[in-house]
Amino acid sequence: DAGVIQSPRHEVTEMGQEVTLRCKPISGHDYLFWYRQTMMRGLELLIYFNNNVPIDDSGMPEDRFSAKMPNASFSTLKIQPSEPRDSAVYFCASSRRSFYGYTFGSGTRLTVV
Amino acid sequence: AQSVAQPEDQVNVAEGNPLTVKCTYSVSGNPYLFWYVQYPNRGLQFLLKYITGDNLVKGSYGFEAEFNKSQTSFHLKKPSALVSDSALYFCAVRDFNTDKLIFGTGTRLQVFP
Repeated sequence: DAGVIQSPRHEVTEMGQEVTLRCKPISGHDYLFWYRQTMMRGLELLIYFNNNVPIDDSGMPEDRFSAKMPNASFSTLKIQPSEPRDSAVYFCASSRRSFYGYTFGSGTRLTVV
Repeated sequence: AQSVAQPEDQVNVAEGNPLTVKCTYSVSGNPYLFWYVQYPNRGLQFLLKYITGDNLVKGSYGFEAEFNKSQTSFHLKKPSALVSDSALYFCAVRDFNTDKLIFGTGTRLQVFP
């Protein structure tokens, strides 16, 4: 099992550009979560999916952020247009049920200059 | 609403000494509790969980946690700290209403040689 796979590991982009982060969850996991981590705000849940359907996107900071899960093996988090304050580490996690805990990916470190 | 609190932002301990990282919870019903560790530039990794049964739960890397219902606590412990234990530690509780984990703000453990 390769675990939760995120790409890219690092992304540096200019303000105003579109950024797409990708996640491949563990096969058989029904839940997928997107988190953002910064020094100031800690770990924040942005959105989560159950069986590819978005359940709660109340943590998405603004309309510039969008997330999709077209199938059980792939999800994207898109920021358009990006701003310097979006600089953070973005994590994807998946699980079968919360009972089992989550498995996190290694994260994408986003820097917007 | 379900919640967890990690009252200490940072814990400092000398190598070889016992360590404790504190966590208290607030849930309706029986809690499902978790500890995760985050090493630098890595995602969160599962350490241990309490669902039911023995109040002392053993996990990875020699860590254990004690569930105390009367004090609503789930403190993480290790008899002898290693420098390599230095990391960020998160406590989490299952939210029964949404079936997702609620994470604490994290405690940074620093083990000095």
